[in-house]
Amino acid sequence: EAGVVQSPRYKIIEKKQPVAFWCNPISGHNTLYWYLQNLGQGPELLIRYENEEAVDDSQLPKDRFSAERLKGVDSTLKIQPAELGDSAVYLCASSGGLAGADTQYFGPGTRLTVL
Amino acid sequence: GQQLNQSPQSMFIQEGEDVSMNCTSSSIFNTWLWYKQEPGEGPVLLIALYKAGELTSNGRLTAQFGITRKDSFLNISASIPSDVGIYFCAGRIQGAQKLVFGQGTRLTINP
Repeated sequence: EAGVVQSPRYKIIEKKQPVAFWCNPISGHNTLYWYLQNLGQGPELLIRYENEEAVDDSQLPKDRFSAERLKGVDSTLKIQPAELGDSAVYLCASSGGLAGADTQYFGPGTRLTVL
Repeated sequence: GQQLNQSPQSMFIQEGEDVSMNCTSSSIFNTWLWYKQEPGEGPVLLIALYKAGELTSNGRLTAQFGITRKDSFLNISASIPSDVGIYFCAGRIQGAQKLVFGQGTRLTINP
């Protein structure tokens, strides 16, 4: 079974530029999560989707961050414009199926560097 | 804010030694998960715990869901070089929907 797929794996941009990250969850998983992981820290939830609905986006900085999951499968996270402090790893995770909602499986992440 | 206290922050051990790490909180948890993360990769699920008192093993790894539902520990027996990485606990607080993560325990093994 394929795991959570993310692309790109690495992205380097200059501040004020836009950037987008893509995630394809495990097949059959209805719940998709985007996390932010700063260096030396655990992941912190940005947004959670149940199918195509964003059910928890309370931690998403909505002035510059946006996300979508139009067909309830793939998802895109966008930052516009990027700031220096956005440099971090952006992780996508999914859950669902027989393992249950609490058992989340992570992708490899996208490491963003903002110069 | 920080809801999980994970300790120790780092460990330096000799190959073959046993390892123990834990997470504690003032909140009651319904689920505890333990993940391992290696450089450049996402966290990989090791063990999931769903009931107070539950003790679950995965090879040389053993984790327990504390009776008080406010803590969990992970043990690694007879460590080997490939155990190197950062171990994260994560849990779902009773009444909440999202997982919260600990700060991680960085494990280094001297051969």
